[in-house]
Amino acid sequence: DIQMTQSPSSLSASVGDRVTITCRASQSISSYLNWYQQKPGKAPKLLIYAASSLQSGVPSRFSGSGSGTDFTLTISSLQPEDFATYYCQQSYSTLWAFGQGTKVEIK
Amino acid sequence: QVQLVQSGAEVKKPGASVKVSCKASGYTFTSYDINWVRQATGQGLEWMGWMNPNSGNTGYAQKFQGRVTMTRNTSISTAYMELSSLRSEDTAVYYCARIMVEWLRGFYYYGMDVWGQGTTVTVSS
Repeated sequence: DIQMTQSPSSLSASVGDRVTITCRASQSISSYLNWYQQKPGKAPKLLIYAASSLQSGVPSRFSGSGSGTDFTLTISSLQPEDFATYYCQQSYSTLWAFGQGTKVEIK
Repeated sequence: QVQLVQSGAEVKKPGASVKVSCKASGYTFTSYDINWVRQATGQGLEWMGWMNPNSGNTGYAQKFQGRVTMTRNTSISTAYMELSSLRSEDTAVYYCARIMVEWLRGFYYYGMDVWGQGTTVTVSS
């Protein structure tokens, strides 16, 4: 099975900061990488699919990059509503998997 | 609007089974695969498996093989996830999610674009 590893597991940042979260796959997954945002008590929300494509309705301050095994989610200017937990997820193999999550907290 | 509405919370005893439903509306149910994902309290997301509502084909994470069954009733646009031999570690919120497909750069890409509201399953003696 393909394992997904995110770093860091948590981070503290201020409004307006540029934030970067990294996701690494245990083998090449081409661009079959999605990013989700989850707020407490809510279902996850798809932000980025195919490593770099912005899901409809998602603000342009979110961006994704990478291919193969290494991927990045960037929030260009953190907003109050962005404090949440972020998960990467691979859709390369028939059996999908999530990273363990990165919690973005207020500094 | 496109939505997935799940059944209500369940409390089960160890060893029992639970069946969670996920009713689709606002789109053609048989045109999109459905995933099931769970989340224990304070933990991350765990992918359980997928089902094609048109064919009934399924694929399960190795961890759940032999204990999970995903089915559907196309006449009422509803998907089901049944988990058997429940133990305390199965206490979690269970989500269904629609799999969207996009043709991009010469390939099909997949993501979970619509989610149910979640169903809390508590396993306790």
